[in-house]
Amino acid sequence: DAGITQSPRHKVTETGTPVTLRCHQTENHRYMYWYRQDPGHGLRLIHYSYGVKDTDKGEVSDGYSVSRSKTEDFLLTLESATSSQTSVYFCAIRDTSGGDEQYFGPGTRLTVT
Amino acid sequence: AQRVTQPEKLLSVFKGAPVELKCNYSYSGSPELFWYVQYSRQRLQLLLRHISRESIKGFTADLNKGETSFHLKKPFAQEEDSAMYYCALYAYGGATNKLIFGTGTLLAVQP
Repeated sequence: DAGITQSPRHKVTETGTPVTLRCHQTENHRYMYWYRQDPGHGLRLIHYSYGVKDTDKGEVSDGYSVSRSKTEDFLLTLESATSSQTSVYFCAIRDTSGGDEQYFGPGTRLTVT
Repeated sequence: AQRVTQPEKLLSVFKGAPVELKCNYSYSGSPELFWYVQYSRQRLQLLLRHISRESIKGFTADLNKGETSFHLKKPFAQEEDSAMYYCALYAYGGATNKLIFGTGTLLAVQP
């Protein structure tokens, strides 16, 4: 599992509240990613990071922000949750030591009511 | 435009039948393609990549640049193959290297 964990694994929140999801890795990978998974859309990139304090937007970044203050943690924040952000969120790392593959965390199921 | 297309949302086959999950891509450079698998409510796992040209769990995939395809095949499906399968394209851009996923195909293997 490339040492990737996500917390919380499940969360129910109300519309308008801020929510922060955490991705933690133990193997010192430089590149980290946040995706959302929705039926009919597959996985879509929200934000990614290519180093501490270095982040950039993906294809569906509106309503989301990220922070990476240390190598092992990549935080995804929904500034004011909406029902359209109900989804499963996956974090991933890119392993550049071998074949450049991405490895995924277990996912966080977020429901916004 | 960089894009991955998986035309089938659902593919249902019987155990022992051959399986082919279709994937087509659009990419201006030299493509690097992957297949990921997601078993029920689990994390995505890398199944195979075209560069390694290996067979994992009996699955193979060949890159056809002429047809811009990377179809996933298995000669005899097993019930444990039931899962969601995603084709993905690696788009290079320096620091902005990223995977572009297709919408996925749910493979259901019936007993």
